[in-house]
Order: sequence, then structure tokens, then C-alpha cells
Amino acid sequence: DTAVSQTPKYLVTQMGNDKSIKCEQNLGHDTMYWYKQDSKKFLKIMFSYNNKELIINETVPNRFSPKSPDKAHLNLHINSLELGDSAVYFCASSQGFNNQPQHFGDGTRLSIL
Amino acid sequence: DAKTTQPPSMDCAEGRAANLPCNHSTISGNEYVYWYRQIHSQGPQYIIHGLKNNETNEMASLIITEDRKSSTLILPHATLRDTAVYYCIVRVPGVNAGNMLTFGGGTRLMVKP
Repeated sequence: DTAVSQTPKYLVTQMGNDKSIKCEQNLGHDTMYWYKQDSKKFLKIMFSYNNKELIINETVPNRFSPKSPDKAHLNLHINSLELGDSAVYFCASSQGFNNQPQHFGDGTRLSIL
Repeated sequence: DAKTTQPPSMDCAEGRAANLPCNHSTISGNEYVYWYRQIHSQGPQYIIHGLKNNETNEMASLIITEDRKSSTLILPHATLRDTAVYYCIVRVPGVNAGNMLTFGGGTRLMVKP
């Protein structure tokens, strides 16, 4: 069983479009995250949610709007896509804000044409 | 979070131990050392973490020096499937930082037959 699953795995779209990436975890965790990995392979945190509440927004443009309908889901909606948004987006989850490990999905590869 | 320094790449022969070093000379007393790895086209995978004592699990061993300024991740019998980028992360878990992980450049480990 996949612990953290993201859909779609690949997303190719035109500049200016609006798109969503979905994330679901079946681990019973209460904290979820979005990370972005750029072309240079650096992984950076974007958002952190705990019990459906936004905890941290790491200076991400407001074109990016995460939504957490319940503790098992954290979706990422992106408006007016730009070329610089091309990257791999990873969802992760953990239990609480402590030293428990984070579990990552396999990523969504977003390409903007 | 304290800064970490890792060699950009290392090679290891299959079946031999892989010893991956990490320097974290500015680590503070309440910061943990975490290791994750990222196999090509997959999300990061948690390996192990520790505070002061050496730790061992089914994947690896973590050796932390007595002054905690450096650590070594040991894969006792490396296989080809261990080829990946290995990240050493130092952080204080908790709500203040959104429990986020800050990834550096990591060490690209190539296990060769």
C-alpha cells in the first residue's frame, strides 16, 4: 500500500494555466508538507500543515494555494503558471511536530511550456 | 538550523561498507542529526536520526562524535540499490520552524559492481 500518494505523476501544461496536484496519506499522520525540487535538485519546503491548519509558508507566491480538506489530504493549486514553476513537487507527512521522520511521495513532475 | 557540509560525491564497491561523512560544527545542544536519501526519480526516504548516542536500525548505523560536530552514516553492506543522494540534516524538531526539513546538496553515492 502506498503511504503518501500524489497525482498526477506528470503534468505538462501551458504558461498561464491553472492546475492542481493532489496528495493523500494513509499513515494517520496529522502533519503534511509540500516541497519543491528545482532543476538544480535542491529541495525546499513550501508549506507545512498541522491538523489542517497552515503552520508555515516559506515565501511562496500567492499563486500557490494549498488546501487541506482533512488531515489525510493536502492539495496544491497553482494559478497562472509560469515557466519558473517547472519543478518536481513532493508531498510529505509526519506525525506531530517532533523528531518523527517525514514520509515522502514520489513527486509530481510539472513542466510548463 | 545548523549548516551541514558533505562531500558532493563518493564511490563504494558493492558489498563493502559505505561511510558517508557529515560536518556540522555549529550544531546546538538540542539539534538532532537526520539522514535521508533520494534514489533517482523517487521522493526522499528517511534513513535514521540521532541526538547524541550512536544509532542503528535495519538500514544503517549513525555514528556521532562525542563533541557532536560531525557524524558518519554507515551502510554496512552496500548494494547497487543504495546508489542515491544522501542528505545530512541538522534541526530542532518542533512547531516554531514548521517542522520543516532543510536539504543541502547532499552526497551522491555511487555503488559499483
